[in-house]
Amino acid sequence: DAKTTQPNSMESNEEEPVHLPCNHSTISGTDYIHWYRQLPSQGPEYVIHGLTSNVNNRMASLAIAEDRKSSTLILHRATLRDAAVYYCILKNAGNMLTFGGGTRLMVKP
Amino acid sequence: DTGVSQDPRHKITKRGQNVTFRCDPISEHNRLYWYRQTLGQGPEFLTYFQNEAQLEKSRLLSDRFSAERPKGSFSTLEIQRTEQGDSAMYLCASSSTGTRGGGQYFGPGTRLTVT
Repeated sequence: DAKTTQPNSMESNEEEPVHLPCNHSTISGTDYIHWYRQLPSQGPEYVIHGLTSNVNNRMASLAIAEDRKSSTLILHRATLRDAAVYYCILKNAGNMLTFGGGTRLMVKP
Repeated sequence: DTGVSQDPRHKITKRGQNVTFRCDPISEHNRLYWYRQTLGQGPEFLTYFQNEAQLEKSRLLSDRFSAERPKGSFSTLEIQRTEQGDSAMYLCASSSTGTRGGGQYFGPGTRLTVT
């Protein structure tokens, strides 16, 4: 499985934008880039996914580098409820998700 | 609520006992997945079904673990002769084949404690 690299932790101030980076230099042409987050004591929550183009939804935006070797999850205005572990995952035709360590996002009021 | 549900939410059992967990996926989803998560780690894939067919089970942790989805709707995960190392959160997720590359939707999990 192609792997992703994320910082262990990041801090943000409430109501400010947050950019969560992910490196995936061995990504293949058929890998989708998925982001999930997991709040304390809850199951993971699907956030967004993309293949080549940038994507927006009600939760976040996903910016994908032109060479696809990195991507950034953008939370436009962090709230205290966004404090969670964020996982960047490459998913291909196989159906399993391979979770790494993720980035623990702390949001300060 | 139309999300993925799991039952029970918590289970405490003694070593050597058998346990069974249930997962009800989102109704229109034909794929169902089981994951295990230990403290401080990301979820680890165990197995998945498309409709009633179990298409991947090589990641089940041992032959003590088995899963079924008899009518292509709900699924059960059974652990026989539980061991203390089985203590973990067991997560179920579902997805649709209709959305290429689409997301999986997780339930709240069943926390198992083996004493």
